[in-house]
Parts: sequence; C-alpha cells; structure tokens
Amino acid sequence: QKEVEQNSGPLSVPEGAIASLNCTYSDRGSQSFFWYRQYSGKSPELIMSIYSNGDKEDGRFTAQLNKASQYVSLLIRDSQPSDSATYLCAVNTGGAGSYQLTFGKGTKLSVIP
Amino acid sequence: DVKVTQSSRYLVKRTGEKVFLECVQDMDHENMFWYRQDPGLGLRLIYFSYDVKMKEKGDIPEGYSVSREKKERFSLILESASTNQTSMYLCASSPPPLGDNEQFFGPGTRLTVL
Repeated sequence: QKEVEQNSGPLSVPEGAIASLNCTYSDRGSQSFFWYRQYSGKSPELIMSIYSNGDKEDGRFTAQLNKASQYVSLLIRDSQPSDSATYLCAVNTGGAGSYQLTFGKGTKLSVIP
Repeated sequence: DVKVTQSSRYLVKRTGEKVFLECVQDMDHENMFWYRQDPGLGLRLIYFSYDVKMKEKGDIPEGYSVSREKKERFSLILESASTNQTSMYLCASSPPPLGDNEQFFGPGTRLTVL
C-alpha cells in the first residue's frame, strides 16, 4: 500500500506568520505532487502542483519537493484568516500517464487573527 | 468558468435501494473520478474513467458500479445501498495526462443510508 502521510493538526498560526505544512510519501517512483485546499463543507481545490525537485512559488504559496527525502511541503507566507482550511497532499505514484493518485488525510490549518 | 456539477447536494435513501449519483462536467475532460470522503479516512477513490465506456477500479470499488456513456457524464451506482455507504461523494474531472493534471471537483453529494 503506497502511503501519503500528513500531520492531521490542527496547526494554529497567528495572522501574518508563515504556515508550514508537510507531507511524506512512501513510493520513490512518485512523479507528480499536488496540494489541495478544502474549506469546511466545500470540495477540494488545487493550490499548487509540483513535479521537479526544488521550490515552486505562486503568490504567497511555495511548494517544496525533495524526492531523495520523499517529502513535499507547502509554505504559506503572510497567513490570513481566509487561509484557515484543511490542506490535502496528493501524490501520483503511478508514473507518467498512469493513475495511482493517493491523498493524504489532510492537515487542518487555523490562522488566528 | 470550469464546472463540475452533481445531481444532488443531499440524498437520503433506505437500505437495499438502488442509488444513482450523477456527475456532469462541461470542460471536455477525458478523465473523470468518483471519490468518497469520510472523517479520519480522507479521500478514497472508488472508480475512475479515462474515456467513454472505459472504467477502472479504484481503491474501494466493492458495492459500487459506474457508467460513462457520454464524455461529459459519469454516474456512480450503488446497487443495494447499505448503511456503511453513508458518506460524502465527490466527483472530479481532469484533462490528460491521467494523474498528472489538476482535478476539478464537484460540490459533493452527502448521502445518508438509513
């Protein structure tokens, strides 16, 4: 069973701080990595995707991938109360063109005003 | 604006009933997916489809079947609903390549089986 692990939280950070969300995965062959945000009572929406080692930045969000250590992280700078949500890490372990997308159980983030 | 719609937001059924959950996407996506989401268990894949009339089992297909007669529509069928199928059901679609692209989720159907 290919696993994707996240700390369930809740992770509480003050407004304006950096929130750091982490995800580890078990399959070294994993190729594609995604972070989804899910507000309470809503469906998931994509925040970031990352496919290569290193950092990828999009506004206040930075995804970091380290395939050697098998972890992917999401940093949220200048956290806002509107960032309070559950963040899901998803990993495609099936290789290019195949489908074995496994979701972590999510980390609940709470940004305190 | 991309859109995935699901036929019902809330549904209550009785044990043993046959249940149909419908999903329609307007993005001309090849790939469509059905998940269920339960507290503490996360999102789990039931079935997916990468083309019309093509389907593949996911992690938890038991008790479910699917139908994809048209590209835009993907149906999930509970042949004989049971109480352990009470859950939030989420449909999603994505463009190719399979597994390497963003999935767009519908609003979900909260199914209660009594």
